[in-house]
Amino acid sequence: GENVEQHPSTLSVQEGDSAVIKCTYSDSASNYFPWYKQELGKGPQLIIDIRSNVGEKKDQRIAVTLNKTAKHFSLHITETQPEDSAVYFCAARLYSSASKIIFGSGTRLSIRP
Amino acid sequence: SAVISQKPSRDICQRGTSLTIQCQVDSQVTMMFWYRQQPGQSLTLIATANQGSEATYESGFVIDKFPISRPNLTFSTLTVSNMSPEDSSIYLCSVVWDRGPDTQYFGPGTRLTVL
Repeated sequence: GENVEQHPSTLSVQEGDSAVIKCTYSDSASNYFPWYKQELGKGPQLIIDIRSNVGEKKDQRIAVTLNKTAKHFSLHITETQPEDSAVYFCAARLYSSASKIIFGSGTRLSIRP
Repeated sequence: SAVISQKPSRDICQRGTSLTIQCQVDSQVTMMFWYRQQPGQSLTLIATANQGSEATYESGFVIDKFPISRPNLTFSTLTVSNMSPEDSSIYLCSVVWDRGPDTQYFGPGTRLTVL
């Protein structure tokens, strides 16, 4: 079955610097890759997603890249701000899974003032 | 996106009791899911809640422990039965909205503590 690995588990960056979180997936049939942000005491919030027919997608300070050959995708946050501090999860969906997605283990991002 | 609410937001329960968690959406959705998030961990899918029929459970989860109902396109319940401290987790519902065939949106979660 599909397996999603996420690194690093914790990440601390200086405010204003960039943060990068990386994920790999095992099943080449995966075709949809969302990223979620979870703040303390809240449910995960979708922040960006990418489909397998696209290599990169940007939304203001966040971007996601996808390398289908290597089966890995990454989240990039530029000009980090204190409100970016949260746990981030990557996920992957199998083409045939009827919307079922598999989550990575999560990255706790801390922004140092 | 749909507005998703869960009740209760948190609860503290005694060992051996059961708790039913409700998930309500403000518009019709095509799919509803229930997840468990153990302390400091990632999200694990419990089951897909099917409207008008039995839920589809993932490996390691059974109907006797986690009975699920979905009587219509906007509402579902998850019951955690015969609870033990190991059931202490955050339970989350998610939905796939009609306008987005892939995207899952999550409710705020129910934080359960079992003593």
